[in-house]
Amino acid sequence: GDSVTQKQGQVTLSEDDFLFINCTYSTTTYPTLLWYVQYPGQGPQLLLKVTTANNKGISRGFEATYDKGTTSFHLQKASVQESDSAVYFCAYDTNAYKVIFGKGTHLHVLP
Amino acid sequence: GPKVLQIPSHQIIDMGQMVTLNCDPVSNHLYFYWYKQILGQQMEFLVNFYNGKVMEKSKLFKDQFSVERPDGSYFTLKIQPTALEDSAVYFCASSRTDNYAEQFFGPGTRLTVL
Repeated sequence: GDSVTQKQGQVTLSEDDFLFINCTYSTTTYPTLLWYVQYPGQGPQLLLKVTTANNKGISRGFEATYDKGTTSFHLQKASVQESDSAVYFCAYDTNAYKVIFGKGTHLHVLP
Repeated sequence: GPKVLQIPSHQIIDMGQMVTLNCDPVSNHLYFYWYKQILGQQMEFLVNFYNGKVMEKSKLFKDQFSVERPDGSYFTLKIQPTALEDSAVYFCASSRTDNYAEQFFGPGTRLTVL
C-alpha cells in the first residue's frame, strides 16, 4: 500500500551545518508531497508542499524537490539554527482527504 | 495564521470511562480530522469528517470511537469505553475544501488512561 519512509530517527547538528533529511514514498497515485514541522508541545505545521514532479518547494530556508524518478522528497537546509530543533515529518496527501505521515525525524541543533 | 483550538490540553481518566475531546476548527474550514500520536512519534490518521459524515476511518478508529460536530459547536472525538492503549496525544486538524492537503493542526490533547 501507500507509504512514506523516513530512515533517520534522529539527526544532531551544530549551528550553520547543512541539513539533509531523507524521505522516500511509495504510492500508486500522484500525490501532493509535504513536509510538516512539529515544535515541542505543539501540533504539526505545514512547512512546504509540492504538487508537481520536479518542482521544488521552498520555505524559511528549507527546500525539497519532488523527484518522481527516485520517488524521493528529501528536505534540505544550507545552514541550520538552534531554533530549527523540532520533529520533521515527511508526508503526502492521498487525494482522499487524509495525510499519511512518515515516522518523523528529530532534529537537534547544538548552539 | 489560522488556529485550531483543542480542549482540554490534558485529560486523565480511569480505564473504562468515557472521554470527549473537543476541537474548535478554523472558522471557514469544512474538513475535519483526528490523528493519534504516541510518544512524540508517528502521527497516525484516525478519521476524517465532512458535511456531517465520516468519509474514511483507519483501523485505529475502533468501534469505541465516534465523532460528530453538532451545528455551530465543537468537532468532538468520543471514546467509550477507554482502554489503556488509548493513551496518546490526539490532534485535531481542519482544512479548506479547495486545499485539503494543507491541514491546520491544533496543539493536541494529551490523554492518559490509568
